Amino acid sequence: QLQLQESGPGPVKPSETLSLTCTVSGGSISSSSYYWGWIRQPPGKGLEWIGSIYYSGSTYYNPSLKSRVTISVDTSKNQFSLKLTSVTAADTAVYYCARQNDYGDLSWFDPWGQGTLVTVSS
Amino acid sequence: QSVLTQPPSVSGAPGQRVTISCTGSSSNIGAGYDVHWYQQLPGTAPKLLIYGNSNRPSGVPDRFSGSKSGTSASLAITGLQAEDEADYYCQSYDSSLSVNWVFGGGTKLTVL
Repeated sequence: QLQLQESGPGPVKPSETLSLTCTVSGGSISSSSYYWGWIRQPPGKGLEWIGSIYYSGSTYYNPSLKSRVTISVDTSKNQFSLKLTSVTAADTAVYYCARQNDYGDLSWFDPWGQGTLVTVSS
Repeated sequence: QSVLTQPPSVSGAPGQRVTISCTGSSSNIGAGYDVHWYQQLPGTAPKLLIYGNSNRPSGVPDRFSGSKSGTSASLAITGLQAEDEADYYCQSYDSSLSVNWVFGGGTKLTVL
């Protein structure tokens, strides 16, 4: 059974870079049938797609975050990562990683990691 | 402001039927893109509930059903149970700004 687990260093200060890693177990991140995505949820609010990556390294980013986001993949570790630069309090959220099938504009997210809360505070 | 609009809350008594709407536009649902639904129980990650407008993943009870028409989609839950109390989100694709998978703002279902 495929499982995803987010991990990161903890609180981040304003203007710094948020870095998270998603470790995939029970399956290969190199599967040609899937993208791997990041989604976030500010406390008490809804879901926002951040971006997705294909195992080959092709990336797709939310236009509203594109200038600050980098997603990368490490197939040797079965992991993919998120970097978000110049963070502010508005970036405080639970960050989820998820598998996304490769149906392009028809695709959905399943399964999801348990999520990790990242707080931006001085 | 979400691209897909959902009612903030709905409620129903045990055993009743409730529906949750997801209203989009000509650049997302109305353009023919599929709608998917997720259930988020309190304190947990979202879980896929319906994919491809009306398909249920293995293990999802047939009390849950989805439909799509025009620029809107709906999630119906019949035989409401206390364990259905959760937040529900719709998701689709929007072509107005390059690549963009989008979510609705979410609907809180309360079982009375």
